[in-house]
Amino acid sequence: KAGVTQTPRYLIKTRGQQVTLSCSPISGHRSVSWYQQTPGQGLQFLFEYFSETQRNKGNFPGRFSGRQFSNSRSEMNVSTLELGDSALYLCASSGSGRRTDTQYFGPGTRLTVL
Amino acid sequence: AQTVTQSQPEMSVQEAETVTLSCTYDTSESDYYLFWYKQPPSRQMILVIRQEAYKQQNATENRFSVNFQKAAKSFSLKISDSQLGDAAMYFCALVEQGGSEKLVFGKGTKLTVNP
Repeated sequence: KAGVTQTPRYLIKTRGQQVTLSCSPISGHRSVSWYQQTPGQGLQFLFEYFSETQRNKGNFPGRFSGRQFSNSRSEMNVSTLELGDSALYLCASSGSGRRTDTQYFGPGTRLTVL
Repeated sequence: AQTVTQSQPEMSVQEAETVTLSCTYDTSESDYYLFWYKQPPSRQMILVIRQEAYKQQNATENRFSVNFQKAAKSFSLKISDSQLGDAAMYFCALVEQGGSEKLVFGKGTKLTVNP
């Protein structure tokens, strides 16, 4: 099976812009989670989608949003970008939807905000 | 809220030697799962090993094994016969069966393998 794919791999944006990141889970996986990774804060949970519904959300401002499509592909959007949004954004998918399932990660999207 | 602590920001080991990475956690749930993930410089996060809290037997996966001490809330990773390809950031993570049901990560341990 193909692994989790994320596009684009690298992005450079300026403050105030918005950005959309995409994640395609492993075939058959219905749960997609998003994480932000920074040197200072480490890995922080953003949100999780299962069968097109947001099932869980981390402590991030409303500028961070996401959605999931019927084919389980997911997108996350960050509006009004700030310098502090510069990070590696990781997407992970899991199979049956139980939260204790192993999550398989994509390669990430490196976002730089100038 | 659950927390995961990795007290060793950096570790080094000689090739072919054994190294142990430490992880402690806190949770109010009795049913939870623990993971070790590896993130090489290429940045792809890879599952190393998984442990169900209800299982007393320590998980093993080839050269990787864990020492799971439930009462002490400790979950260390032992890497035997270290190889150059083991060099990476290692993250300990926890998810509760109940509670918040989010995967919570430690800050990570950077492992260097010296030839």
